[in-house]
Amino acid sequence: DTGVSQDPRHKITKRGQNVTFRCDPISEHNHLYWYRQTLGQGPEFLTYFQNEAQLEKSRLLSDRFSAERPKGSFSTLEIQRTEQGDSAMYLCASSLDTAFYEQYFGPGTRLTVT
Amino acid sequence: AQSVSQHNHHVILSEAASLELGCNYSYGGTVNLFWYVQYPGQHLQLLLKYFSGDPLVKGIKGFEAEFIKSKFSFNLRKPSVQWSDTAEYFCAGREGSYIPTFGRGTSLIVHP
Repeated sequence: DTGVSQDPRHKITKRGQNVTFRCDPISEHNHLYWYRQTLGQGPEFLTYFQNEAQLEKSRLLSDRFSAERPKGSFSTLEIQRTEQGDSAMYLCASSLDTAFYEQYFGPGTRLTVT
Repeated sequence: AQSVSQHNHHVILSEAASLELGCNYSYGGTVNLFWYVQYPGQHLQLLLKYFSGDPLVKGIKGFEAEFIKSKFSFNLRKPSVQWSDTAEYFCAGREGSYIPTFGRGTSLIVHP
C-alpha cells in the first residue's frame, strides 16, 4: 500500500507526558498537513509543510505542540506536557500540490490522555 | 472567516431513498470544493472534487455534487442510497491554494 501511513495508530498516555507521532506521506507528495479531529467535528487544521519548510501554523497549535519534516519526507508531531484536552484523533494528509490537487489522508493516531 | 458549514449533522434514511447533504462556503474568490467520506473504522477518502468547469461533478459510488456559485453551495446527492453508504460525510473547501478547511460533518445512517 503506497498511501499515507501514521504511527502509532493508538496512544494512551498520562497527563504531563510527552508524545510523538509520525506520518509518512505518499512518496512524491511535497505538501504535508496535520489536522486534529474530535468526536462530532470535522478535521481542524494544525500545520502545513511544503517540503521541509513549515509554512503555516494554526492558532490552535499551542507552544506545547511542535512539528518537523526533516529532509521533506516523513513528519513528526510532538506534544509536550499533554493535557486531557489533547485527546483527539491526529490526522496527517499529503498532496502533490496545493492548488489543483486533493489531499490524501492517513488512518490517524488516536491519542487518549488519562 | 473563511469557512465551510454543513447544516445536517445526522441523517437517517432507508435503503433506496434519495440523499442530499448540504454544504455552504463563505469564500469570495476562486474556490476548490471537496466531499470526503469516512466509513466506520476507515480513513477519510475523497468522494469528489470541484476545481472549475462543469458545476455538476460526478464522483465515486454514484455520488454527485452541484456547485451553485450564487448560493455559495456544494450539496452532495445520491439518487438511491445503500446500507453500505452509512458513514460520516465531510465537505471541505479552500480559496485558491490556501489550506482546506472542513465542515463538522454529517453522520448518515442507512437502514436496510
